[in-house]
Amino acid sequence: SQQGEEDPQALSIQEGENATMNCSYKTSINNLQWYRQNSGRGLVHLILIRSNEREKHSGRLRVTLDTSKKSSSLLITASRAADTASYFCATHSGNTPLVFGKGTRLSVIA
Amino acid sequence: NAGVTQTPKFQVLKTGQSMTLQCAQDMNHNSMYWYRQDPGMGLRLIYYSASEGTTDKGEVPNGYNVSRLNKREFSLRLESAAPSQTSVYFCASSGATRGSYEQYFGPGTRLTVT
Repeated sequence: SQQGEEDPQALSIQEGENATMNCSYKTSINNLQWYRQNSGRGLVHLILIRSNEREKHSGRLRVTLDTSKKSSSLLITASRAADTASYFCATHSGNTPLVFGKGTRLSVIA
Repeated sequence: NAGVTQTPKFQVLKTGQSMTLQCAQDMNHNSMYWYRQDPGMGLRLIYYSASEGTTDKGEVPNGYNVSRLNKREFSLRLESAAPSQTSVYFCASSGATRGSYEQYFGPGTRLTVT
């Protein structure tokens, strides 16, 4: 059963623009993680945000978490063609394994 | 450091055949996971091993078995393959139990069952 739901399912932007993806979830969490998957490859961890954190930055990535709305957003600033990939949120709740959403497909057009 | 390795990369099976997917990690991680990824379905957990000597079912365990051979290796076996098991299979590992820390993924095995 999927806990996180990413929105939109697909996003197409021009190089240099910002890309924002959202993740909503249903139950309380310990942490929320974002992963990237390039076509035909395994997932790569991008950032983890704990339930007591509201915002985290890593390079051009900015993640926010709003536990009252049970939602998170991933912002990629100044997108590049190399950012073209699928992005997944994954939630960790209680003592259970990570649960992944279905992902957002991002296309960055040069 | 190879990270997480998986073999084979591609496999075609006929219905009813069996096979074992191999996974190994060199990061001294306690936890290891097997997922399948189907179009539009995201990743679904098949089985996981929180530590050496333990295995637990995930969301979609039917038709699969696993073995945590040692701390490094975690294999996934299909005893009698079915077309519904056509998928891309990913192995992952993490340093903490069940998801407190990030997971590291292998490159995947593309399996087709005809």
